Amino acid sequence: DTEVTQTPKHLVMGMTNKKSLKCEQHMGHRAMYWYKQKAKKPPELMFVYSYEKLSINESVPSRFSPECPNSSLLNLHLHALQPEDSALYLCASSQEIRRATGELFFGEGSRLTVL
Amino acid sequence: DAKTTQPNSMESNEEEPVHLPCNHSTISGTDYIHWYRQLPSQGPEYVIHGLTSNVNNRMASLAIAEDRKSSTLILHRATLRDAAVYYCLQYGGSQGNLIFGKGTKLSVKP
Repeated sequence: DTEVTQTPKHLVMGMTNKKSLKCEQHMGHRAMYWYKQKAKKPPELMFVYSYEKLSINESVPSRFSPECPNSSLLNLHLHALQPEDSALYLCASSQEIRRATGELFFGEGSRLTVL
Repeated sequence: DAKTTQPNSMESNEEEPVHLPCNHSTISGTDYIHWYRQLPSQGPEYVIHGLTSNVNNRMASLAIAEDRKSSTLILHRATLRDAAVYYCLQYGGSQGNLIFGKGTKLSVKP
């Protein structure tokens, strides 16, 4: 199984809603990532988890709250988002962050629209 | 910030070779060069990586300059399915901060 599965594929939410994005992998990877991608732009790194601990937070606003409950799961909790947060949110995993040869496996993304 | 620079776009004809360049003039001795591509409406997918020597796999070849300040991804026979944005990254394997640059949008004409 070499897949990273993201749910939901599409999400529409209001600015006062609380929602979550979910990411799952069963490759035994110990590093998991959240990226945000706006239209026609490259993916921007948001968070990196290594062995279920937060390794990198790229100065992401607190309305985005990541969670890694176990080595297979990564969540992104969303609260009080703004319309400019509408984007494709990509999850990825790799064996370990310290392996410079490590390949990232990406999911297909969750497309978020904030009204 | 992204440490690599690539042309914004390139065009190729189907079944012809494509050479996608990347400059990484600040690369350190332990940074690997990685290439990913992103097809429309999909997440990025790994293509190839290398350190110093040229590398080949089933998808592509990677030619790395002797001074390591540039590299070229080679698609030997472009197909319509190769139309994508190709990203070149440099990564040393420290904290997990794989940063994507702007990438090259490859168009393939039949």
